[in-house]
Amino acid sequence: DTAVSQTPKYLVTQMGNDKSIKCEQNLGHDTMYWYKQDSKKFLKIMFSYNNKELIINETVPNRFSPKSPDKAHLNLHINSLELGDSAVYFCASSQDLGSGANYGYTFGSGTRLTVV
Amino acid sequence: AQSVTQLGSHVSVSEGALVLLRCNYSSSVPPYLFWYVQYPNQGLQLLLKYTSAATLVKGINGFEAEFKKSETSFHLTKPSAHMSDAAEYFCAVYPSSNTGKLIFGQGTTLQVKP
Repeated sequence: DTAVSQTPKYLVTQMGNDKSIKCEQNLGHDTMYWYKQDSKKFLKIMFSYNNKELIINETVPNRFSPKSPDKAHLNLHINSLELGDSAVYFCASSQDLGSGANYGYTFGSGTRLTVV
Repeated sequence: AQSVTQLGSHVSVSEGALVLLRCNYSSSVPPYLFWYVQYPNQGLQLLLKYTSAATLVKGINGFEAEFKKSETSFHLTKPSAHMSDAAEYFCAVYPSSNTGKLIFGQGTTLQVKP
């Protein structure tokens, strides 16, 4: 009955590899997000999608490509992984673009990516 | 541009003592403000939110926060700390633009000593 679920929880990979992180929400929300938490625990938005449409791309390198096959899923694919990509990536959702202010956001438990 | 600043990256209190975590915001319009908690190796959980209703907001686990426009602050308090409160706390602001983007502060680590 998890609201926002991410897989995998941990991901260790070598530089140069391509990897994907999957996110699914069963809340019926229209809007989904990817946030990156760096080693200093600072959280910054990467992307937001509303009903499968890209809304925010926060100057993220082109190596990062989100894909939303339907409004319940928002996957993150990363090409040519670099050491600096090591971080915790959080998926989140809100009812719609505007309701996040009133109802908040639901976050997944995160994917800890380590690039070696 | 809207932003939040959390004063003090690390706060240490004794069990049973008052918890005060500081957050100041910058916004040209009435903001929506949030406090989230992150327990070790877990995701973020909403503690409470201010959405221009009551200025004193009560949240889960005994936490509350007061919105003070004159001080541009939204400090988080709890009268009596419990060991289980040890976690990372984030203040966040929802910008006026309708993009859904949430802007977080730098976070404050709360340590509770026995």
